Amino acid sequence: GESVGLHLPTLSVQEGDNSIINCAYSNSASDYFIWYKQESGKGPQFIIDIRSNMDKRQGQRVTVLLNKTVKHLSLQIAATQPGDSAVYFCAENADGTSYGKLTFGQGTILTVHP
Amino acid sequence: GAGVSQSPRYKVTKRGQDVALRCDPISGHVSLYWYRQALGQGPEFLTYFNYEAQQDKSGLPNDRFSAERPEGSISTLTIQRTEQRDSAMYRCASSLGQGAYEQYFGPGTRLTVT
Repeated sequence: GESVGLHLPTLSVQEGDNSIINCAYSNSASDYFIWYKQESGKGPQFIIDIRSNMDKRQGQRVTVLLNKTVKHLSLQIAATQPGDSAVYFCAENADGTSYGKLTFGQGTILTVHP
Repeated sequence: GAGVSQSPRYKVTKRGQDVALRCDPISGHVSLYWYRQALGQGPEFLTYFNYEAQQDKSGLPNDRFSAERPEGSISTLTIQRTEQRDSAMYRCASSLGQGAYEQYFGPGTRLTVT
């Protein structure tokens, strides 16, 4: 399954499928991007980040891709599990500050069916 | 180890009352952030501290909102003369230091102004 941008805020997949969550950003000066996972009733939890001098970064079962040409960020989750069900937010350091003043996107709801 | 803690977890107050929300960051984290999160939205930046210095308060909505971190550890966000529009989830996050963008979020304080 694939989510096409934040105007489609829900993504439903079967357990074991790969998930792709997309995010468009508007500020070409942003130099840092981060994905957070937020489960119901909890605070956002860091997943993976990437700086603008990279176009791909891999973590455990997750990969973040950055396309600066079209200002697009994506999160790929391999072998999605029911525990991955949550809201996923992308965020950017849009102000270019040296600290983490993050601007968050709207979020995508990921539902994983057993 | 202990994560970011916030208190109270829930606060119901009457319009016009002052409220104080507390954040206890991860031990050793010098950077502290306050965010506000509306239902279904990503966190919105309010203010940032590096040690005890409030270095950015550009996100505070108006002068009824203030924050302090007098000893560089625990922080308090104060809202004076609360209004119904102040009802939201208030989240605190901390990070290891300036330039270390990975932020760890607390569970939040749900504020309801009646």
